[in-house]
Amino acid sequence: NAGVTQTPKFQVLKTGQSMTLQCAQDMNHEYMSWYRQDPGMGLRLIHYSVGAGITDQGEVPNGYNVSRSTTEDFPLRLLSAAPSQTSVYFCASRQRLSYGYTFGSGTRLTVV
Amino acid sequence: RKEVEQDPGPFNVPEGATVAFNCTYSNSASQSFFWYRQDCRKEPKLLMSVYSSGNEDGRFTAQLNRASQYISLLIRDSKLSDSATYLCVVNIIGDKLIFGTGTRLQVFP
Repeated sequence: NAGVTQTPKFQVLKTGQSMTLQCAQDMNHEYMSWYRQDPGMGLRLIHYSVGAGITDQGEVPNGYNVSRSTTEDFPLRLLSAAPSQTSVYFCASRQRLSYGYTFGSGTRLTVV
Repeated sequence: RKEVEQDPGPFNVPEGATVAFNCTYSNSASQSFFWYRQDCRKEPKLLMSVYSSGNEDGRFTAQLNRASQYISLLIRDSKLSDSATYLCVVNIIGDKLIFGTGTRLQVFP
């Protein structure tokens, strides 16, 4: 099993550009989430999903969209990139609420 | 007040030492608790879940005190490879996991 796969690993965007961070898991997990990690801030929840077709906002959803058309995939879309979105983005999945998350290896995004 | 608070450290300890980290959480309705380990520029990895009765995994022991709303992690016989940042994680409601900012541990020879 590959686990949680994120692409790309690195990305540089210009302010105002849009892009999609990809996340796929092959463990048939129902729950998936996107986090961003900034120095001194810890991981903050952007959006999460409890199953295909169901998504909800986390702590810092502004500027991001998600969709969950399949159990496996949970892409994160940046609508109009801003320098404040420079961060490391992690996708994670888990089977049940009582279980811990498995994280992808992250996407390092720089917005210039 | 932050929902999950940790001492950022760093904790600098010699090999073989015992070290303990604490974490406090503010929401008394929190349901599940975890400790994660994160190495520099890597993704967080689940170290262990934390149960009300306390639980042990080799050199690692986790405790939960619901009355005082804190979680602890004890590492015995520290190894150089234990050097990392340890993240306290609390499941508030539904699928929302809240992460602490982490406690950095540096084990020296």
